[in-house]
Amino acid sequence: DSGVTQTPKHLITATGQRVTLRCSPRSGDLSVYWYQQSLDQGLQFLIQYYNGEERAKGNILERFSAQQFPDLHSELNLSSLELGDSALYFCASSADVASGNTIYFGEGSWLTVV
Amino acid sequence: AQSVTQLGSHVSVSEGALVLLRCNYSSSVPPYLFWYVQYPNQGLQLLLKYTSAATLVKGINGFEAEFKKSETSFHLTKPSAHMSDAAEYFCAVNIPGNQFYFGTGTSLTVIP
Repeated sequence: DSGVTQTPKHLITATGQRVTLRCSPRSGDLSVYWYQQSLDQGLQFLIQYYNGEERAKGNILERFSAQQFPDLHSELNLSSLELGDSALYFCASSADVASGNTIYFGEGSWLTVV
Repeated sequence: AQSVTQLGSHVSVSEGALVLLRCNYSSSVPPYLFWYVQYPNQGLQLLLKYTSAATLVKGINGFEAEFKKSETSFHLTKPSAHMSDAAEYFCAVNIPGNQFYFGTGTSLTVIP
């Protein structure tokens, strides 16, 4: 158990809908990361937050947004969903943003868009 | 620019044989390098990491990796494969700001 908690574990929704994925980082970790894993694209970095502020952006679509709240949990919002958004979405956390810090992954949220 | 290349998306070895998973990196700054493992239906777990101390890094489950600056490589090895080693393995380079760039992964199959 990494200590990173993600909910829901599985989600099935229709095209055009909006979903929210939730992540609680490990106790004491200030930085949260979101990744998307799909068969054709591999593990793609979406976005990073540190202590409530956006730190870095990767290949995140404009239809997607995220935030980190004062209690350090984070949410990833996916809207106007398309079939191609079906993937495993991981949240990860690290103590801070110093280089070399290990990031710890949650077990992921499986999103299926039908 | 920073990037990671994992040679071989699928590797098969016999139980008891040597495991060698290849990773080459590109980094404009001295890198920190990581190997993660992903078992089916699970998240990624840290196997080991290199942070500029010893070039030979020992990790969990008998895995180790050697940082070779001249070859820009960080290959993962295990002397004797076990059935439980079957998983997806990811190499990653870590850059300032603690951002990670992951390779495309190598799926390891262990044949009994």
